[in-house]
Amino acid sequence: AQKITQTQPGMFVQEKEAVTLDCTYDTSDQSYGLFWYKQPSSGEMIFLIYQGSYDEQNATEGRYSLNFQKARKSANLVISASQLGDSAMYFCAMRPTPGTASKLTFGTGTRLQVTL
Amino acid sequence: EAGVAQSPRYKIIEKRQSVAFWCNPISGHATLYWYQQILGQGPKLLIQFQNNGVVDDSQLPKDRFSAERLKGVDSTLKIQPAKLEDSAVYLCASSKDSFNYGYTFGSGTRLTVV
Repeated sequence: AQKITQTQPGMFVQEKEAVTLDCTYDTSDQSYGLFWYKQPSSGEMIFLIYQGSYDEQNATEGRYSLNFQKARKSANLVISASQLGDSAMYFCAMRPTPGTASKLTFGTGTRLQVTL
Repeated sequence: EAGVAQSPRYKIIEKRQSVAFWCNPISGHATLYWYQQILGQGPKLLIQFQNNGVVDDSQLPKDRFSAERLKGVDSTLKIQPAKLEDSAVYLCASSKDSFNYGYTFGSGTRLTVV
């Protein structure tokens, strides 16, 4: 079974500053993928970034980067140059077994509020 | 490319009534998922379809929830009878089976049971 832990219920960051959202995971699978999703108040889940367990380099997508530390089983999301539109819930998720459409397991989320 | 379509957007029903949600996935996506997201929690998988076959329904409360995916395209999730604790957002998602890019989610249906 997979488990995702997000220990920060809420975070505040000033506009244009960087912020790190924490995520730790537990799994017995040798191969897996880690994901971050953004959920604005409108409710849709927006895919942000993906990291494979065998990827040696940290994933980056624009202002988003994933700080992957396999030995610590952590996959923190870093948002650089925060914008007001980044205010939302952020979910870390994982799925095992590459190459199959296996289910995503989500954490409880972190609510990010960007202030002026 | 059109996204995942869900309807209705909102629904309010009394307990013990029945309700149905509809989902149309992205064209060509073989896998369809229904997730339940209770307020303040992360989404939890209810059922996963591969084409029109069920892959995982281990967390679906089968005494009151049912789902079908006819012809491997659209899907319907039904609750009968509804309980107060079923109040949640029901999210539909689909994927091409491409492992790397996660799923595409719909906007969800917010259900309130009173």
